[in-house]
Amino acid sequence: TQLLEQSPQFLSIQEGENLTVYCNSSSVFSSLQWYRQEPGEGPVLLVTVVTGGEVKKLKRLTFQFGDARKDSSLHITAAQPGDTGLYLCAGPTGYALNFGKGTSLLVTP
Amino acid sequence: DAEITQSPRHKITETGRQVTLACHQTWNHNNMFWYRQDLGHGLRLIHYSYGVQDTNKGEVSDGYSVSRSNTEDLPLTLESAASSQTSVYFCASSRDGPYGYTFGSGTRLTVV
Repeated sequence: TQLLEQSPQFLSIQEGENLTVYCNSSSVFSSLQWYRQEPGEGPVLLVTVVTGGEVKKLKRLTFQFGDARKDSSLHITAAQPGDTGLYLCAGPTGYALNFGKGTSLLVTP
Repeated sequence: DAEITQSPRHKITETGRQVTLACHQTWNHNNMFWYRQDLGHGLRLIHYSYGVQDTNKGEVSDGYSVSRSNTEDLPLTLESAASSQTSVYFCASSRDGPYGYTFGSGTRLTVV
């Protein structure tokens, strides 16, 4: 099993602040995915990054895949309460995904 | 609209009983997966299937089984439920390639 380490584990910020969460591994991945999970629901796919160095933007969220394809980051600009949730990164082995333990984000008004 | 549904949403069962959790998807995805989610452990893969009649063990498969008789369904069976199997169970599906999963809403299972 290829391990994915996410940091920080918990993050509590106020509305309007910026933040970055990280996903690191000692293994090379062909791609990495980011999901957001809200309480009582399943994770929802945010983005898939495939190419080393790739940057993808989804409104206020910016995702980057490391050049060596071992790590990824998620940056949120001007966080809003609606961004609250558990952010998970995942990397494939075949078509099965290995998930990190997640970063739990709380954004307060 | 295509969807993936899990049933039941909540279940309480007794130690030693056999329990089956249902997962049904209408995406026509080849690949289906079962995960359990526990505090401190994150999402861990139990079993997965790449197509009809194909099943594979994941990281935490002991005490669980699956069967894939059609594209739409991958039921998860706990042979003899144990308290350690109290968890939230998620089913997911995907198509071939570097594509994301579509998850169900989960089943919260309590073994007493």
